[in-house]
Amino acid sequence: NFMLTQPHSVSESPGKTVTISCTRSSGSIASNYVQWYQQRPGSAPTTVIYEDNQRPSGVPDRFSGSIDSSSNSASLTISGLKTEDEADYYCQSYDSSIWVFGGGTKLTVL
Amino acid sequence: QVQLVESGGGLVKPGGSLRLSCAASGFTFSDYYMSWIRQAPGKGLEWVSYISSSSSYTNYADSVKGRFTISRDNAKNSLYLQMNSLRAEDTAVYYCARDRGGSGFDLWGRGTLVTVSS
Repeated sequence: NFMLTQPHSVSESPGKTVTISCTRSSGSIASNYVQWYQQRPGSAPTTVIYEDNQRPSGVPDRFSGSIDSSSNSASLTISGLKTEDEADYYCQSYDSSIWVFGGGTKLTVL
Repeated sequence: QVQLVESGGGLVKPGGSLRLSCAASGFTFSDYYMSWIRQAPGKGLEWVSYISSSSSYTNYADSVKGRFTISRDNAKNSLYLQMNSLRAEDTAVYYCARDRGGSGFDLWGRGTLVTVSS
């Protein structure tokens, strides 16, 4: 099985852009889709990016996703940060009937 | 409306058993794979188990293999998780989620808290 590694926390100011990385430990990041979930305190996770770079309806285009095969990692970028974006963010992928989550990144917007 | 509602959580002693349920509504339950995902207090998300739409296939995280059993009743639009030989480290909020396989989880319930303590 593989692991997904995320930074524990990131912080940025309102209006700025932040990028959260997610590095796959083994196997190619491109071999299976990566999803990103947002979780606010006391709430269930919701999808902000699926299939590497697709946004569900209702998610603003300030959220974007990408993968980089050279670093074997995926990234979630949030531009025009708002205080409401403050939350935990988890990447997730899949291989051979095993679903793997990253450890989560706490985003602080200050 | 489209939703998942978990139930059955509570306080149980180490070594005990508990059965979680998840009621689905607003979509054709029998068309979808389903998964259970848990989150220990203050910790991250951990996938626990999945079941295919017709119950033909299941799989489990190593941490619960041999102790937990996932099942579903498509006629009742319900998903279940039978948890045996519970340990303190199984303490978590358990979420059921609609599973799109490689495309992730697109619908989550609110979760039910399981506490394993003497």
